[in-house]
Amino acid sequence: GAGVSQTPSNKVTEKGKYVELRCDPISGHTALYWYRQSLGQGPEFLIYFQGTGAADDSGLPNDRFFAVRPEGSVSTLKIQRTERGDSAVYLCASSPGGLTGELFFGEGSRLTVL
Amino acid sequence: DQQVKQNSPSLSVQEGRISILNCDYTNSMFDYFLWYKKYPAEGPTFLISISSIKDKNEDGRFTVFLNKSAKHLSLHIVPSQPGDSAVYFCAAKEDDYKLSFGAGTTVTVRA
Repeated sequence: GAGVSQTPSNKVTEKGKYVELRCDPISGHTALYWYRQSLGQGPEFLIYFQGTGAADDSGLPNDRFFAVRPEGSVSTLKIQRTERGDSAVYLCASSPGGLTGELFFGEGSRLTVL
Repeated sequence: DQQVKQNSPSLSVQEGRISILNCDYTNSMFDYFLWYKKYPAEGPTFLISISSIKDKNEDGRFTVFLNKSAKHLSLHIVPSQPGDSAVYFCAAKEDDYKLSFGAGTTVTVRA
């Protein structure tokens, strides 16, 4: 497809489990972002990749969260020992390079931790 | 600490009338502002933007106004249409790549 693709669209897991969320950005976009949107809030920045490297991971809430983008395209957000407070919609976005204009968002992965 | 604030969680407007959405920010280093629109179960989509060197940008039915001295921007939609019913997020750019978002305003356009 032409847009940003995120899988799974919905994930329900139990407290303490490990979760992986995948993002396939628009082809050719070098910049990739993860945001998290909690109920009633706007998206909050988690991490920014330029190519393969994480240029800014200052938004990751703690060391249970980690993201990779090994080949500069697909990215995976990994959450260890999930907690109920991790429940949110995780949004991935890409852009051609840096932020000269808008971000292109995927539909998000809704994570529910029971 | 919320650097971008949308103090009105919801707005209801009659079809054909003007919708005015407001946004305030605290960080004077923000140099670029954007509005995103979001339908249920979809990701936000870019709507319109404005650079800090301008005070107005217009695109069809959508106009964004920026008042730097007041750290305030607004989005005007005129005339409002049923398809405009959505959540609107104000966002501000810092560090060349990071966006800070407001909490959103849900717009309902009544027929």
